[in-house]
Amino acid sequence: DQQVKQNSPSLSVQEGRISILNCDYTNSMFDYFLWYKKYPAEGPTFLISISSIKDKNEDGRFTVFLNKSAKHLSLHIVPSQPGDSAVYFCAPSMYSGGGADGLTFGKGTHLIIQP
Amino acid sequence: DGGITQSPKYLFRKEGQNVTLSCEQNLNHDAMYWYRQDPGQGLRLIYYSQIVNDFQKGDIAEGYSVSREKKESFPLTVTSAQKNPTAFYLCASSLPAAREDYNEQFFGPGTRLTVL
Repeated sequence: DQQVKQNSPSLSVQEGRISILNCDYTNSMFDYFLWYKKYPAEGPTFLISISSIKDKNEDGRFTVFLNKSAKHLSLHIVPSQPGDSAVYFCAPSMYSGGGADGLTFGKGTHLIIQP
Repeated sequence: DGGITQSPKYLFRKEGQNVTLSCEQNLNHDAMYWYRQDPGQGLRLIYYSQIVNDFQKGDIAEGYSVSREKKESFPLTVTSAQKNPTAFYLCASSLPAAREDYNEQFFGPGTRLTVL
């Protein structure tokens, strides 16, 4: 049973507009949420994270929103740029030893930025 | 430069052979991980190690083995018991778990294993 769901396998957005990537989770024990960006045949790179004690975290063009009651988080990218075209993974973790226990990844959303 | 290296980038093996994938890090991280990615799937945790000489099974450990004799190294052996070994394998590392702000894991470039 999937604990992390990214229901949009792909998303196409025009350059300069906002990209919104969604993630739903079922495990209420998750308390730290990370987003990773991945290009084909490369390892994922960390993008942004949010602790469960917050509902928003912003870093430049990237903002992550967390709705704990709905077990839902979203990643906003604005404005979207061609270099943002990649697969984005939502990866929650449980802090009980936290990151050392491994991350649970969603299946990813392939974001395509169109010129 | 600090980072994680995985070698080789591409690896081909005959069915029934064991193969060992290399992972080295010079980030001074205590924790290391192995993940597997299949087409259209997320990353799934195979094994992880929080400290030298200790490791734990992840979600899909069957058919794999690891060792952690040195802090810098966490090799993964794909044995002949692994039924579907062809996949993209990713190694990662992270800072000590006691620092909860640092759950971030740093990933290597990956090894694509193809079993013929």
